[in-house]
Amino acid sequence: EIVLTQSPGTLSLSPGERATLFCRASQSVTSTYLAWYQQKPGQAPRLLIYGASSRATGIPDRFRGSGSGTDFTLTISRLEPEDFAVYYCQQYETSPTWTFGQGTKVEIK
Amino acid sequence: EVQLVESGGGLVQPGGSLRLSCAASGFMFSTYNMHWVRQGTGKGLEWVSAIGTAGDPYYPVSVKGRFTVSRENAKNSLYLQMNSLRAGDTAVYYCARAPRYDPGAFDIWGQGTMVTVSS
Repeated sequence: EIVLTQSPGTLSLSPGERATLFCRASQSVTSTYLAWYQQKPGQAPRLLIYGASSRATGIPDRFRGSGSGTDFTLTISRLEPEDFAVYYCQQYETSPTWTFGQGTKVEIK
Repeated sequence: EVQLVESGGGLVQPGGSLRLSCAASGFMFSTYNMHWVRQGTGKGLEWVSAIGTAGDPYYPVSVKGRFTVSRENAKNSLYLQMNSLRAGDTAVYYCARAPRYDPGAFDIWGQGTMVTVSS
C-alpha cells in the first residue's frame, strides 16, 4: 500500500502570504493519479487539483499543484481568508485502492 | 444542480448493521463510478468502497467482508450496507463521484451522514 505523508502538519501564515504544502509518497505515483482537496470545518472536502497539476472547475488560479514521482506540492500563491482550511492529498496509483495523506492544516497566524 | 445527499446514519451497537443511502441528482448517475469515504471525528479521510458503472465493487482490507456497496441506477441511488460494525467504524460517511476526466479523483461530495457505533 502506498502511504502518503503530508508536511508540515500545521502551517501558520497571514493572509496574503504564500503557502507551500508537501505530499510525499512511499513509492512512485503516476502524476495522473494524484489529487488535492480542501476541507473546511463542518463541510465535505472539495476537489482542488487532479492529475497532480490540473485545477478542478471553479478553482482560482492562486492554487497550483506540481510534482512527480514521490514528491508533490500544493502552492497557494497569496492566501485569502477563505483559504484557511485543512488540505489533503490523495493517490490512486495502486488500483483499485485510494489513499489519502493525513492532512495539513493552514491556520491564521 | 449536481448534488449528492446521504441518509441512514445513526447510533448502532457494536456488532449491529446499518444501511446508508446516497441520492444523486443533476447528472447521469448510471455513467459514473461512485465511492464512499469516511472521516472519524477529528481525523483524516479514509476510502471505504467504490462501485463501477457495471456494479463492480471494491473495498479496502479494513471493511472487506463486512461492508457491501451497491447501486440502483433506476433510482439514482448508491447504498452501503454495513454489518458487524465496530467502534472504529464511527465516522461521517460521505458518498462521492468520480469524474470522467479523472476516475481516480472525487469531484462531487455529499454533505455526509454520521454513524456512531457505541453501546
